[in-house]
Formats: sequence, structure tokens, C-alpha cells
Amino acid sequence: AQKITQTQPGMFVQEKEAVTLDCTYDTSDPSYGLFWYKQPSSGEMIFLIYQGSYDQQNATEGRYSLNFQKARKSANLVISASQLGDSAMYFCAILNRDDKIIFGKGTRLHILP
Amino acid sequence: EAQVTQNPRYLITVTGKKLTVTCSQNMNHEYMSWYRQDPGLGLRQIYYSMNVEVTDKGDVPEGYKVSRKEKRNFPLILESPSPNQTSLYFCASSPGSREVSEQFFGPGTRLTVL
Repeated sequence: AQKITQTQPGMFVQEKEAVTLDCTYDTSDPSYGLFWYKQPSSGEMIFLIYQGSYDQQNATEGRYSLNFQKARKSANLVISASQLGDSAMYFCAILNRDDKIIFGKGTRLHILP
Repeated sequence: EAQVTQNPRYLITVTGKKLTVTCSQNMNHEYMSWYRQDPGLGLRQIYYSMNVEVTDKGDVPEGYKVSRKEKRNFPLILESPSPNQTSLYFCASSPGSREVSEQFFGPGTRLTVL
């Protein structure tokens, strides 16, 4: 069965510092996709970044990058130069071969001024 | 404006009273899905649909039904709601299952079952 684990329920980080949010996954499918969403306190889900299992390079989108380590089955989200507006809940998710999407339990990130 | 709409946004109901939460998208997307979000559990997929008349169970389908008679609509039906279905529900759509970067989420429906 597919599984996503986010081991950090909450994190506090000083503004302007880089942040790494952990995500490990478990799947037996050779083809899958990993992605991250942000959910601010207003509740909407905001797509951040996607990594395919066959992608050779780590995905980057502006200040967001995905540290994909396939052998370790990890897909950590790195936010560079954090901002107060980055305070939110962050979800890692996996899309597997049968088109199901499984989310992790989330990490609540607090950026401190 | 491209969007996913859900109605109602808030609903308080009683155990056993059938209800439907509507979901509609205006982007001609093929893939639609329903999630529930509970504190400490993240989002869990209830049902998804690859196209009209094609629906599949997600991780937590028990107690829910869906239908996909038209491409734009994907209602979630609770035939006999119970208090453990109190949750925040999201509908989402994307062009296809692989185009997650283009997945639009609705604003959410907060359901309370007494």
C-alpha cells in the first residue's frame, strides 16, 4: 500500500532562514509522482511543486525546491529565504499508478519575525 | 474565471438525514476527486473519477457515494450521515490524473453531523 509520512507535526523557523520539510514515502510502483501543497490559515490548497519518479533533476519552482532522494524514498521540500507569508500547513502527497492520491498528515510551519 | 465551486460551504445536519454536496468545475477537466480533511490526519481521498461514468474508491469511501453523469459535476452523497463524517470536504479537478500541477481545489465544505 502507498504511504506518505511527514514526521514533523510543527516547526518554528526564523524569517529569512531556509526551511526543510521532511517527507518519506512507501510505494512498490516504479512510476509515481510526488508533490507538495500549502494550506494557509484561510484554508485554500495551493499547489507548490511536483516531482516525477523518472525525473532526473530535482524540481524547483522559485523559492521552492524538492530534494528527491529516490533510494531513500524521500521527497523533502526546501523553502529558501523564508518569509512570514510561508506560515501555513504543508502537505506532501503521492500519486500512484492507479491514479489514487495519498496525502501525508501535514507539517505546520511557523515563520518567526 | 477557472474555478471549482462547492455547495454548500457550511452545513449542519443530523444523523441519518441524506445530504448531497455539489461540486462543479468550468475547465473541462477529466479528473475529479473528493477529499476529507481532519485534524492530525491530513487529506484523505474519498472517491475519484477519471471521466464521465468512471468512478473509483479512494482511501476512505465507506459511507459515501458519488456520481459522474456529466464532466463538470461530481456530487458527493451521504445517504445516512453519521457524526464521524463531521469534517472539512474538498473537491478538486485537474485535466488528467497526471496533471497534478494543474489541480484546482474548491473552497471546501465544512460539514457537521449532530
